[in-house]
Amino acid sequence: NAGVTQTPKFQVLKTGQSMTLQCAQDMNHEYMSWYRQDPGMGLRLIHYSVGAGITDQGEVPNGYNVSRSTTEDFPLRLLSAAPSQTSVYFCASRGTKGEQYFGPGTRLTVT
Amino acid sequence: SQQGEEDPQALSIQEGENATMNCSYKTSINNLQWYRQNSGRGLVHLILIRSNEREKHSGRLRVTLDTSKKSSSLLITASRAADTASYFCATDAGGNNRLAFGKGNQVVVIP
Repeated sequence: NAGVTQTPKFQVLKTGQSMTLQCAQDMNHEYMSWYRQDPGMGLRLIHYSVGAGITDQGEVPNGYNVSRSTTEDFPLRLLSAAPSQTSVYFCASRGTKGEQYFGPGTRLTVT
Repeated sequence: SQQGEEDPQALSIQEGENATMNCSYKTSINNLQWYRQNSGRGLVHLILIRSNEREKHSGRLRVTLDTSKKSSSLLITASRAADTASYFCATDAGGNNRLAFGKGNQVVVIP
């Protein structure tokens, strides 16, 4: 199993640009989530999904959209990038006991 | 939302010594989890302890949970240089299994 994969690994955007961060998992997990990690802030939940077709907002959803058309994929879309969205983004899926499996992350810089 | 908070924030120890870090939280939980993050990588699940458990072991890791004090501790015994990482606690209060992460605890093990 590849586990949770994320692309791209690095990305630089200009303010106002849009982009989609890809996330996929091959463990057939229903629950997936997106976090952002900023220095000194820990991980903050952006959006999550409890299954295909179902998404919900987390702690910091503004400026981001998600969709879940399949169990495997959970892309995160930045609508109009802002410097405040410079961060490291992690996708995760939840196992049967509640543990989360994280992808390697996408380091995003918005100039 | 509740949030785990680790204490101390940074710890530097010699190889072979034990490392202890603590986590406190504010509300009732279903379980508490500890994760490790090596520099530039995603988080890796270490151990999950349920609210009705008081202690759990996994290899050189020992986790305790005191629900009356709303606190947990992670002990790494006989530390190795490879244990150098950031360690996060995360609390699961139920519902949609939304994990609330603490800000992390940086551990440096000096060979």
